Amino acid sequence: GNSVTQMEGPVTLSEEAFLTINCTYTATGYPSLFWYVQYPGEGLQLLLKATKADDKGSNKGFEATYRKETTSFHLEKGSVQVSDSAVYFCALSTDSGSRLTFGEGTQLTVNP
Amino acid sequence: DTEVTQTPKHLVMGMTNKKSLKCEQHMGHRAMYWYKQKAKKPPELMFVYSYEKLSINESVPSRFSPECPNSSLLNLHLHALQPEDSALYLCASSPLGPRGAFFGQGTRLTVV
Repeated sequence: GNSVTQMEGPVTLSEEAFLTINCTYTATGYPSLFWYVQYPGEGLQLLLKATKADDKGSNKGFEATYRKETTSFHLEKGSVQVSDSAVYFCALSTDSGSRLTFGEGTQLTVNP
Repeated sequence: DTEVTQTPKHLVMGMTNKKSLKCEQHMGHRAMYWYKQKAKKPPELMFVYSYEKLSINESVPSRFSPECPNSSLLNLHLHALQPEDSALYLCASSPLGPRGAFFGQGTRLTVV
C-alpha cells in the first residue's frame, strides 16, 4: 500500500532561518507528490507538486525535489517568515486513482 | 475561478438533528471528495465521486449520506450524529488522475 512519513514536529524557527521538513514515501505504482499547507482555522492549500523523478516543485519560496532513488520529497525554504507558521502535509497520489495519502503533518512556528 | 466553496463555515447540531453541508466548484473538475479532519491529524478520506457517481466509500457510517446533484455540487447529509463526529469537514475537487486536489475552507462541525 501507499504511505507517507514526515519528520515529527513541532518545528520552531526564528525568522529568516532555513527550513527543511523531511518526507519519505512508499508507493505501489508511480506516485505524484505534493506539499499542502494548512493555516490555523483554514482548509488545505496546495503548495507545490512534482509528478516525475527529479522534478522540482516550487512556490512562494518553498521548494521540493522528487527523489526516486531515496523515495523522498523534502520541503525547503531559504528564509522563513512569521507568516509561514502553519501545518505542512506531505502527500502522494498514484496512477490508480485520485485519492491522496497524507503524512501526519508537521507544525511549523516561526518566531520574530 | 480556482476556488472550492463550502457552506456553512460553522455548524452546531444536536444528535437528533438533520443538516446538510454544501460544496461547490467551477473548475470543471470531475472528481469531488469529502474528507474528515480531527484536530492535529491529517484529513481522512470519506467519499469520492467521479463523474457524479460514487466511486469510493471508505466504510463511512450511514449517518453520513453524500450526494452529487451535478458536476459542480457536492452535498453531505448528516443525521443522528454522535459527539465524536465533531470535526472539520473538507470538500475537495480535482481533475481525474494523480494531479492533487483543491480544498475548500471546511465546515467546522460540533455535535452536542
